[in-house]
Amino acid sequence: SQKIEQNSEALNIQEGKTATLTCNYTNYSPAYLQWYRQDPGRGPVFLLLIRENEKEKRKERLKVTFDTTLKQSLFHITASQPADSATYLCALVGDGSSNTGKLIFGQGTTLQVKP
Amino acid sequence: ETGVTQSPTHLIKTRGQQVTLRCSSQSGHNTVSWYQQALGQGPQFIFQYYREEENGRGNFPPRFSGLQFPNYSSELNVNALELDDSALYLCASSTGLVTYEQYFGPGTRLTVT
Repeated sequence: SQKIEQNSEALNIQEGKTATLTCNYTNYSPAYLQWYRQDPGRGPVFLLLIRENEKEKRKERLKVTFDTTLKQSLFHITASQPADSATYLCALVGDGSSNTGKLIFGQGTTLQVKP
Repeated sequence: ETGVTQSPTHLIKTRGQQVTLRCSSQSGHNTVSWYQQALGQGPQFIFQYYREEENGRGNFPPRFSGLQFPNYSSELNVNALELDDSALYLCASSTGLVTYEQYFGPGTRLTVT
């Protein structure tokens, strides 16, 4: 079955630097992959979706890449700010079909941006 | 436009008891998914409801059951609670069967003692 791996160690970076988070999956390549942000004690918030035929997607300071050969997605936050500190979750459809609600999430990577 | 709401926010139950968690979907959304999130882990899919019918279920035993109502709000019921059921239960709403972005509620923190 599909498995997602995100770096479980927290990522600590200095304000202004670029944060890069990694999401690796093990099985089939999904039709699309999503990234969410989660703050402590709150529900995840959708950030970006990238489709399998898209190499890169941008939204303001956020950039996501999707490499189906490597089975990997990278999530970048440029010019990071302390307000970007949160846990970031990678998610994809769970059974190879887009016609289902089964999203599989990684365990998330916690980002800490220091002023 | 109101977002996804969940009730209650916190709940403490004893092992063996039953619990019902509630979710109101975002205005205009007809699909509700439920997730369980243990501390330090990502959300795990429990099941999804689309127009009052279950559409997909994760790896959870039958004592986890759900309902969706005509107004698209939903309930998650858990019978015979176990200590391992302690977690944050998240409800997410979306439109249609295809799972693009989901809009999550704040969650219900369930503690089983």
